Amino acid sequence: LAKTTQPISMDSYEGQEVNITCSHNNIATNDYITWYQQFPSQGPRFIIQGYKTKVTNEVASLFIPADRKSSTLSLPRVSLSDTAVYYCLVPDSGYSTLTFGKGTMLLVSP
Amino acid sequence: EAQVTQNPRYLITVTGKKLTVTCSQNMNHEYMSWYRQDPGLGLRQIYYSMNVEVTDKGDVPEGYKVSRKEKRNFPLILESPSPNQTSLYFCASSLSGSGGKYNEQFFGPGTRLTVL
Repeated sequence: LAKTTQPISMDSYEGQEVNITCSHNNIATNDYITWYQQFPSQGPRFIIQGYKTKVTNEVASLFIPADRKSSTLSLPRVSLSDTAVYYCLVPDSGYSTLTFGKGTMLLVSP
Repeated sequence: EAQVTQNPRYLITVTGKKLTVTCSQNMNHEYMSWYRQDPGLGLRQIYYSMNVEVTDKGDVPEGYKVSRKEKRNFPLILESPSPNQTSLYFCASSLSGSGGKYNEQFFGPGTRLTVL
């Protein structure tokens, strides 16, 4: 059963870069790592997905070291609207269930 | 527009009165799932479906039923709701449930259920 560990919460200020690290020691060879963002009372929204090294899109970057036992979501120059819960997701064994966990609550202050 | 829809968005009911929350997706996704979200407990998976007529239990299936008769619909049924099922419910779908590249899940807007 693949599990992830993330910090419960993080604080930042507007304009700063935020890095949220997730550990997934039991990740399987074919698993992709996916990050979601959730605002209060809304469904989670896909941010980024990666398999190895670095992936970048218009919202974030995802860094995955060679051993793939962890990943780091990088949010450049955060704004107040980036205040949300961020989930790191790795499929459970058998690829049929997905465990979200409690995520990381990011609070961005002025 | 590609989306997952849920109905109703808000529901207040009483203990024991059967209810159904509908979920529909228009993306031809094979995988669909139901989650509940409670303060301090995060998102927990209730049931999932890998494809039509294939459903299985998630982490918290007690008190819930589902069916997948058509690819686009995945209703959540509470035969005899109880107050501990008061929660925020999300339906989600994805191309497949695999751990590969295409397991991005699209979530519905949520259904806030209160059982008195």
